[in-house]
Amino acid sequence: QVQLVQSGAEMKKPGASVKISCKASGYIFTSYTLQWVRQAPGQRPEWMGWLHVGNGNTKYSQNIQDRVTITRDTSASTAYMELSSLRSEDTAVYYCARVGLAISGPDYYYYMDVWGQGTTVTVSS
Amino acid sequence: DIQLTQSPSFLSASVGDRVSITCRASQGISTYVAWYQQKPGKAPEVLIYAASTLQSGVPSRFSGSGSGTEFTLTISSLQPEDSATYYCQQLKSYPPLTFGGGTKVEIK
Repeated sequence: QVQLVQSGAEMKKPGASVKISCKASGYIFTSYTLQWVRQAPGQRPEWMGWLHVGNGNTKYSQNIQDRVTITRDTSASTAYMELSSLRSEDTAVYYCARVGLAISGPDYYYYMDVWGQGTTVTVSS
Repeated sequence: DIQLTQSPSFLSASVGDRVSITCRASQGISTYVAWYQQKPGKAPEVLIYAASTLQSGVPSRFSGSGSGTEFTLTISSLQPEDSATYYCQQLKSYPPLTFGGGTKVEIK
């Protein structure tokens, strides 16, 4: 079945970096876009960026674009999200999600149809 | 950035009740809205996309409507397993792809 499996929980000190993996299975990895979303405790999800897996193009949220890098290894069907210069407010659950697409005439409708299980990142001194 | 405001932020209803959640956008977004259900400790799951299209496998008691700046998620007959937090998301304009603030649904 289609699934995204993420790497395990991380504990980091302020100023460090974290790199989370997202391994895809059950579908053609390069045929879909992946998004990264994070959710701080009790907060709404926050979109971080997305990766066009086929060509490697990325787009990031302006809030974190100086600190985030999303990459992929197509041979391993795995995407990565690295966040640097961590601060306490980066404590959150981080999700990767596949972007589904529905086409209706001239309109392209995107939505997140498959999600990873989430990776908890705790930033604390 | 496009802001999404959900209301109410919390609702409590009984099994079998019809409940509706509203999502208002700060500018017109046509029908580029998706709705997600999230249970504690779990990832969100898509219910509706393109404002009114039911995702495969989602019970038909869920429906979505609206266009422009106002959207509604309706549960026609609330079930115990519907206890969750519901989020709308706009996919018209990015970055960023914003989410609403969430509506927590409790079963009385």
